Amino acid sequence: ETGVTQSPTHLIKTRGQQVTLRCSSQSGHNTVSWYQQALGQGPQFIFQYYREEENGRGNFPPRFSGLQFPNYSSELNVNALELDDSALYLCASSLGGGQNEKLFFGSGTQLSVL
Amino acid sequence: GQSLEQPSEVTAVEGAIVQINCTYQTSGFYGLSWYQQHDGGAPTFLSYNALDGLEETGRFSSFLSRSDSYGYLLLQELQMKDSASYFCAVGQAGTALIFGKGTTLSVSS
Repeated sequence: ETGVTQSPTHLIKTRGQQVTLRCSSQSGHNTVSWYQQALGQGPQFIFQYYREEENGRGNFPPRFSGLQFPNYSSELNVNALELDDSALYLCASSLGGGQNEKLFFGSGTQLSVL
Repeated sequence: GQSLEQPSEVTAVEGAIVQINCTYQTSGFYGLSWYQQHDGGAPTFLSYNALDGLEETGRFSSFLSRSDSYGYLLLQELQMKDSASYFCAVGQAGTALIFGKGTTLSVSS
């Protein structure tokens, strides 16, 4: 157990809907990163938040957005869901805003878009 | 941009030694990490190399050659529970880790 919790664990949505995924980081960690993992693939970096500011973004469209709160928990919002958004969404927390070699992952939210 | 290459599958028997290679192309390289992920589970941190050489943690070792943009994970005394996916990941300045596509290790008895 890493101390990183994500909710919900599973979610089913239809195309065009919006979804919000939540993550509580490990105690003492001020950085949260979000990843999308399609079946059989590696985690793809979506974005990272450090002390409530976005601190890096991967190759994802603007309909993927996020927030980090003062307690360092975080949300991932996806608008206008597409079928290809079906994946495991992983949240990871870490200590630093720069070099983040050691990430502590939550168990993820499995999103299915129908 | 950045890219990482690792074999898609590796098979071995219990008690054997297996090496999973990773080559990378990236800018602003900070270090190479390795993660393990069992089916349906969260990736878990195994090791990290910032400098050239070998890092040993129990049955697992990791190696990095910055000049060759190459690293590997060495798993010794394989056990059935080591069957999982293994990902190499590079750290870059100002952003989170970038992961490879993963290597599925199957350990048989």
